[in-house]
Amino acid sequence: GIQVEQSPPDLILQEGANSTLRCNFSDSVNNLQWFHQNPWGQLINLFYIPSGTKQNGRLSATTVATERYSLLYISSSQTTDSGVYFCAGWYNTDKLIFGTGTRLQVFP
Amino acid sequence: NAGVTQTPKFRVLKTGQSMTLLCAQDMNHEYMYWYRQDPGMGLRLIHYSVGEGTTAKGEVPDGYNVSRLKKQNFLLGLESAAPSQTSVYFCASRDAGEGSNQPQHFGDGTRLSIL
Repeated sequence: GIQVEQSPPDLILQEGANSTLRCNFSDSVNNLQWFHQNPWGQLINLFYIPSGTKQNGRLSATTVATERYSLLYISSSQTTDSGVYFCAGWYNTDKLIFGTGTRLQVFP
Repeated sequence: NAGVTQTPKFRVLKTGQSMTLLCAQDMNHEYMYWYRQDPGMGLRLIHYSVGEGTTAKGEVPDGYNVSRLKKQNFLLGLESAAPSQTSVYFCASRDAGEGSNQPQHFGDGTRLSIL
């Protein structure tokens, strides 16, 4: 089936801590993207990462397409990192299928 | 460059009323999408369009209609609103590109409540 699964569902961190979010995706889904939905509901592109590793500041992402998973790393977390992180994969090249998200809360 | 703009941002309807949500993009993107997001869930695709004059069904199309008469606009219509359609609606667009290697750009969402 078409599946995009994320773990953990919830994550609570103290400012400065590191974290790893995981996304598993089924064979029919490819070309992973990571998004951050901030507390105001806005969706922000983080990474388009079909395979390999990309870094942007304190965030980095790795996708191992052959093993059907992607990881999002957040280092030295800040309160502004709070929100929901979604991974999404493309199905049939024209439909983006979302996971249910990881809700991150970073406390000072 | 405004990106993807959704109108309105908030709306409250009574059961049975109709309304249209407007999505406009100024990036000359070929593909446009309508999603709904329910509490605690990811986004689910309602309808999408791969070009002007075309539309296709997504995961949850029932109760909605769409039109793409102009490339820059994608309209989502609710003919007879039901409480189950209470949700936050997101529009997105992307360039065609090769395969699916073009990131999506999202609007800020429309919060719709059906009483």
